[in-house]
Amino acid sequence: QVQLQESGPGLVRPSGTLSLTCAVSRGSINTNNWWNWVRQPPGKGLEWIGEIFHTGSTNYNPSLKSRVTISVDKSKNQFSLNLYSVTAADTAVYYCARVGTFGGLSTDPFDIWGQGTVVTVSS
Amino acid sequence: DIVMTQSPDSLAVSLGGRATINCKSSQTVLYISNNKNYLAWYQQKPGQPPKLLIYWASARESGVPDRFTASGSGTDFTLTISSLQAEDVAVYYCQQYYSTPYTFGQGTKLEIK
Repeated sequence: QVQLQESGPGLVRPSGTLSLTCAVSRGSINTNNWWNWVRQPPGKGLEWIGEIFHTGSTNYNPSLKSRVTISVDKSKNQFSLNLYSVTAADTAVYYCARVGTFGGLSTDPFDIWGQGTVVTVSS
Repeated sequence: DIVMTQSPDSLAVSLGGRATINCKSSQTVLYISNNKNYLAWYQQKPGQPPKLLIYWASARESGVPDRFTASGSGTDFTLTISSLQAEDVAVYYCQQYYSTPYTFGQGTKLEIK
């Protein structure tokens, strides 16, 4: 089964850029799936950040759109998240997740998740 | 954005008992074209990522025990865990995938009484 693994710095300075990568293993990123980023602040709920298709098409959460870029590198079978101008409010566990294929006309739920990576924004 | 509201925020149920969690969406998540409710339920245990339990509001994901059942349509949904087991202690989230931005409920923390 496909596995996802997040990686990146655990500490980012305020006003800096948070950069994370999600490596896809035991399968190809070049499939009919959307690849997502979701975050969870400490002790809080889940917030969807955005998604990308292997063609490079993206959708972003409007609340973060001005600060987010998601990209895909098919040669490395991975996708990445850049979140700019971070503040303490961006401190969270960041998950990558795959939209599954359950027969939805437009989209489907998240069926595979990475283990998550903790990112702290602090000076 | 579609706002998802769960109730209660937390509940404690005896082992072997029944737990019921409700989820309400601010607008319908029923897609008329295919008559499917774009509503999922996830289970999250401490230190773990969310795990998909239910999709299309009532379809159980492969490997999920049949003590987990779900129902509802349109804007009102329910997740029921019958015969509660110790391993069911977790936070449960509903999520709509009807439209972006995909949104989650605030979570319901389930504990053993």
